[in-house]
Amino acid sequence: QKEVEQNSGPLSVPEGAIASLNCTYSDRGSQSFFWYRQYSGKSPELIMFIYSNGDKEDGRFTAQLNKASQYVSLLIRDSQPSDSATYLCAVYRGSARQLTFGSGTQLTVLP
Amino acid sequence: NAGVTQTPKFQVLKTGQSMTLQCAQDMNHNSMYWYRQDPGMGLRLIYYSASEGTTDKGEVPNGYNVSRLNKREFSLRLESAAPSQTSVYFCASSEAPGGYTFGSGTRLTVV
Repeated sequence: QKEVEQNSGPLSVPEGAIASLNCTYSDRGSQSFFWYRQYSGKSPELIMFIYSNGDKEDGRFTAQLNKASQYVSLLIRDSQPSDSATYLCAVYRGSARQLTFGSGTQLTVLP
Repeated sequence: NAGVTQTPKFQVLKTGQSMTLQCAQDMNHNSMYWYRQDPGMGLRLIYYSASEGTTDKGEVPNGYNVSRLNKREFSLRLESAAPSQTSVYFCASSEAPGGYTFGSGTRLTVV
């Protein structure tokens, strides 16, 4: 089992729709959870992080965490073509002092 | 702009050649990282340095060496390049756990 798994994608949604990106992790000791966005040919950039169970909202983005189910998700409301990118889920384990990344989900928002 | 600077951006090596990838950050971060990114495999950690003077192996360290030259600089060396090391290499730095700032990447091809 991979440490961090993301829905395989690619995912396509129409402009204005809600895009839902999912991630599961295997280590119950994981402490914090991150979503990075990576445009084609570019480097990853941090868009959201969450530490506690529940929802965290930042503009059109909502991160959701359920530690009991070992599940993290990212919702993008009112999706725009500029949101088309690969989204990387990452999990931080303090014992390892490092981030472990999932393989990413490619999102395309269709005009 | 402040951030993480990687050089070179592109490199082609012949099998057996050596090279050093350079990384420098001007954000006064303690921690620095080297990742490689291959299609379908996400970002995999090669080496990291939690603070000046320390380095630790990540998930895929074989064939690589690193040097934390000072707080700003963290270099990655390939002593004898192999085709399996063809990849995109990213350097990152952070102060808070998980909140990484990435460099623009080095696209390395080994023929």
